[in-house]
Amino acid sequence: AQSVTQLDSQVPVFEEAPVELRCNYSSSVSVYLFWYVQYPNQGLQLLLKYLSGSTLVKGINGFEAEFNKSQTSFHLRKPSVHISDTAEYFCAVSPPGSGNTGKLIFGQGTTLQVKP
Amino acid sequence: DTAVSQTPKYLVTQMGNDKSIKCEQNLGHDTMYWYKQDSKKFLKIMFSYNNKELIINETVPNRFSPKSPDKAHLNLHINSLELGDSAVYFCASSHRPEDEQFFGPGTRLTVL
Repeated sequence: AQSVTQLDSQVPVFEEAPVELRCNYSSSVSVYLFWYVQYPNQGLQLLLKYLSGSTLVKGINGFEAEFNKSQTSFHLRKPSVHISDTAEYFCAVSPPGSGNTGKLIFGQGTTLQVKP
Repeated sequence: DTAVSQTPKYLVTQMGNDKSIKCEQNLGHDTMYWYKQDSKKFLKIMFSYNNKELIINETVPNRFSPKSPDKAHLNLHINSLELGDSAVYFCASSHRPEDEQFFGPGTRLTVL
């Protein structure tokens, strides 16, 4: 079965420092990949997605992610974080053949804590 | 304007009760979903409806019954509530199943 692993449960970082949140998925075939952000007491918001094409995907709020098929990874990066980036970040995959159902499988989440 | 709304935001109830959570979207989307987020923040899909037709029903106890009266609404009814049902339930919608999903603010259910 398809699975998504977010390698870090918590990532503390100082303001204006770069950050990378790691995500690996289990499938060796084509999948769709997503990063969502959840601010405290709110629903999820899409940061970016990879469907096909360029392996470097740019999203909102200065985030980007790189799809690496050989390593089955989709790590999220931001060159300089702000206090307002403090939130829970979820990596998700849409398994092969699920395009007509919208099924998303989520990782366990990574808490990004930005310190002043 | 709220795109995906859920009511109530908080729900506290006793074991054995029956309760419903309502979801409405004003985005004109054809597909709606219910997710459960447990205390460890793990998110799992429960149900998905496309044009009022059930297309995903993940191994969810049959105490949970989704109902879609029209494309803009997907309600979740839970019978005989158990302690393990305590979680945050999120509704989401998308234009098509393969498109970006927009999430509601969540309903925090606490079963005592």
